[in-house]
Amino acid sequence: QVQLVQSGTEVKKPGASVKVSCKASGYPFSDYALHWVRQAPGQTFELMGWINPGSGNTRSSQKFQGRVTITRDTSASTVYMEMSSLRSEDTALYYCARQKRNGYVFFDFWGQGTLVTVSS
Amino acid sequence: DIQLTQSPSTLSASVGDRVTITCRANQNIGRWLAWYQQKPGKAPDLLIYKASSLESGVPSRFSGTGSGTEFTLTIDSLQPDDFSTYYCQQYDTYSGTFGEGTKVEIK
Repeated sequence: QVQLVQSGTEVKKPGASVKVSCKASGYPFSDYALHWVRQAPGQTFELMGWINPGSGNTRSSQKFQGRVTITRDTSASTVYMEMSSLRSEDTALYYCARQKRNGYVFFDFWGQGTLVTVSS
Repeated sequence: DIQLTQSPSTLSASVGDRVTITCRANQNIGRWLAWYQQKPGKAPDLLIYKASSLESGVPSRFSGTGSGTEFTLTIDSLQPDDFSTYYCQQYDTYSGTFGEGTKVEIK
């Protein structure tokens, strides 16, 4: 069965960086784009960017360009999201999510979420 | 940017009720709309995509309609497991945006 398993809770100070991982299993890793989506406390979801695990091509939302780097390790079927210059407003649950179909950015499987807390 | 407005923000209902949630877009998005259910502390589950296509494994009491700028999610005969928050999401080739959510709570 398809599973996306993310790394654990992170607590960071303002200005630091964080790197969250998402290990995929149960399907051909290279065949589906993987996205990073965040949800701040009590808020809706915000798309951050995505990676084509086969080609390694990435695209970030304008809001996060220059601050978010998405990478993958095909040998480990794992994608990573690194965010730099963290601020308190970045406190959120960060999810990886599998894009169901090429060309249509909606999601059929999600990771369990990684809580990132930014606090001095 | 495309913005989605969901209504109501909170809905009180009883088991067995028929429930309708509306999602309005500020520009024409065709039928490129998905609906998700999120339970507290959990990731969302996909219910509907392309406005009315039911995701595999989702009960048939869930249905979606609409096109252009106005969309609805209907739950026929609300079940105890359905008390959750529901989100719409518009999407295109590269990105998407979510509505603010509708919480369905027990009356």
